[in-house]
Amino acid sequence: GNSVTQMEGPVTLSEEAFLTINCTYTATGYPSLFWYVQYPGEGLQLLLKATKADDKGSNKGFEATYRKETTSFHLEKGSVQVSDSAVYFCALMSNYGQNFVFGPGTRLSVLP
Amino acid sequence: GAGVSQSPSNKVTEKGKDVELRCDPISGHTALYWYRQSLGQGLEFLIYFQGNSAPDKSGLPSDRFSAERTGGSVSTLTIQRTQQEDSAVYLCASSRAHGYTFGSGTRLTVV
Repeated sequence: GNSVTQMEGPVTLSEEAFLTINCTYTATGYPSLFWYVQYPGEGLQLLLKATKADDKGSNKGFEATYRKETTSFHLEKGSVQVSDSAVYFCALMSNYGQNFVFGPGTRLSVLP
Repeated sequence: GAGVSQSPSNKVTEKGKDVELRCDPISGHTALYWYRQSLGQGLEFLIYFQGNSAPDKSGLPSDRFSAERTGGSVSTLTIQRTQQEDSAVYLCASSRAHGYTFGSGTRLTVV
């Protein structure tokens, strides 16, 4: 079946550090890939998405590129801020199914 | 409303009691999803409604869980005879085409 694997957290970085959160997936067909973010006390928000191979999703300084050859969708940001502290979820939606498959989430803490 | 609204935001219940969780999706969104986020776990799919089609119930963990969607709008997730392992945040999402919006969730604590 479909699955998503993320690097385990928590991840603690200093402000302005470079961020990478690894995400790999297993899926049949050609899934769409997503990163969701959950800030403390809030619901999930879509951060970025990519719907086909080699697409790059970007938003708020975050980027992720859909790599079919490595089945990966790693999240990156060049310079993190304290306000980026949150839990980040990688997810896929198969083009055959109707529901998401989420990774376990990675908690990011950015220290001033 | 502008977003997906869930109520209550927090619910504490005694083991063995029934609970109802409500989701009010974005107007015009034909698809509605329920997910569960347990402590330290990722999101677990529970059930999916699409228009007037029969719901996809494949994620419901036991027959104590059921959900309805009345008039293609508001949905209620019911958990009967709650158990401590039911403690989690229950998230609702609605969508139209490829735009998904999640509610803030209901935190259920079974004591």
